[in-house]
Amino acid sequence: NAGVTQTPKFRILKIGQSMTLQCTQDMNHNYMYWYRQDPGMGLKLIYYSVGAGITDKGEVPNGYNVSRSTTEDFPLRLELAAPSQTSVYFCASSYSRPGAKELFFGEGSRLTVL
Amino acid sequence: TQLLEQSPQFLSIQEGENLTVYCNSSSVFSSLQWYRQEPGEGPVLLVTVVTGGEVKKLKRLTFQFGDARKDSSLHITAAQPGDTGLYLCAGVEDSNYQLIWGAGTKLIIKP
Repeated sequence: NAGVTQTPKFRILKIGQSMTLQCTQDMNHNYMYWYRQDPGMGLKLIYYSVGAGITDKGEVPNGYNVSRSTTEDFPLRLELAAPSQTSVYFCASSYSRPGAKELFFGEGSRLTVL
Repeated sequence: TQLLEQSPQFLSIQEGENLTVYCNSSSVFSSLQWYRQEPGEGPVLLVTVVTGGEVKKLKRLTFQFGDARKDSSLHITAAQPGDTGLYLCAGVEDSNYQLIWGAGTKLIIKP
């Protein structure tokens, strides 16, 4: 059982470049999330989705976009990368709303913008 | 802005010692979760507490939810090197369904 799979694991971008972080889950979870984790700062919610075709902004959405065309996939798009987007990005999924059920996380994608 | 404060931020102790880490807020939570994260991995759920005063045990780990549902603690008895990791608490406010995360406690258990 793969759970939540993220790709790539590591990426270096130049300022102004764009890229997509891929996330797929095989647990048929309705809820999916993108977080970023900076040292000493905990997890910050970027975007989330409660089902296919439905997305909403989290705490720090600026500079990012998402789509949810299927239950399984929830890609995160970075447009015009900036050094402030250097971080570790985690995709997560859950069966129901946050706090009621466990969040399952991917292994993370470490992004460096130079 | 809702804050969940974790303390201490960093703790390094010898194998066999006991320790307690704390998660505090000024707001009331409908539930609170504790996760452990190892280097290069995503967080993994340890426990969910939902009732004020609730105590849950997971082997040598004891979790407590405050009576007022504003704080929680994690106590580890006879810590082992395998307990090393980043411990994160996350709470859901009564008024919405977003998880609020603490910054974490980095725990190192030395053999």
